[in-house]
Amino acid sequence: QKEVEQNSGPLSVPEGAIASLNCTYSDRGSQSFFWYRQYSGKSPELIMSIYSNGDKEDGRFTAQLNKASQYVSLLIRDSQPSDSATYLCAPRGATNKLIFGTGTLLAVQP
Amino acid sequence: DVKVTQSSRYLVKRTGEKVFLECVQDMDHENMFWYRQDPGLGLRLIYFSYDVKMKEKGDIPEGYSVSREKKERFSLILESASTNQTSMYLCASVGPGTSDEQFFGPGTRLTVL
Repeated sequence: QKEVEQNSGPLSVPEGAIASLNCTYSDRGSQSFFWYRQYSGKSPELIMSIYSNGDKEDGRFTAQLNKASQYVSLLIRDSQPSDSATYLCAPRGATNKLIFGTGTLLAVQP
Repeated sequence: DVKVTQSSRYLVKRTGEKVFLECVQDMDHENMFWYRQDPGLGLRLIYFSYDVKMKEKGDIPEGYSVSREKKERFSLILESASTNQTSMYLCASVGPGTSDEQFFGPGTRLTVL
């Protein structure tokens, strides 16, 4: 079992729809969780962090965390073509290092 | 704003050459990291450092070494470059005052011929 699992995609959604990106992790000691967006050929850019169970909203983005289920998700409302990118889930492990998933490729169709 | 810079965006080297990749951050962060990213394999941690002159191996340290003589600078060294070290190399830093958020540099795409 991988430490962090994400569906590689591509996840294709029409413009204006909600994109739902999911991530499961194996380290029960993880307390901090991060979502990064990475455009092709660019470095990852932090878009959301979440530390407590429940939802955290920031503009069109909502992160959801369920530590009991070892599950974290990212919702993107009103998806735009500019949201097309790879989204990386990264829990911080017990060793204090980020453990990255391989990412989900999101394609927003105009 | 946190700024992490890397010395080169693109680099082409020959097999057997010694290669230096430099990373500088301007936020007085203690923690710095070197990753490589390859298609289908995601981000893999090579080395990290919690303080000046401190270094720890990550998941794939073979063929690499690092140097941290000053807090703001973390260097990755390929002692004898090989073709399987062709990759995107990413530096990152994290420290107090940024809610343990990790920030990446722009990356160096290294090609070893």
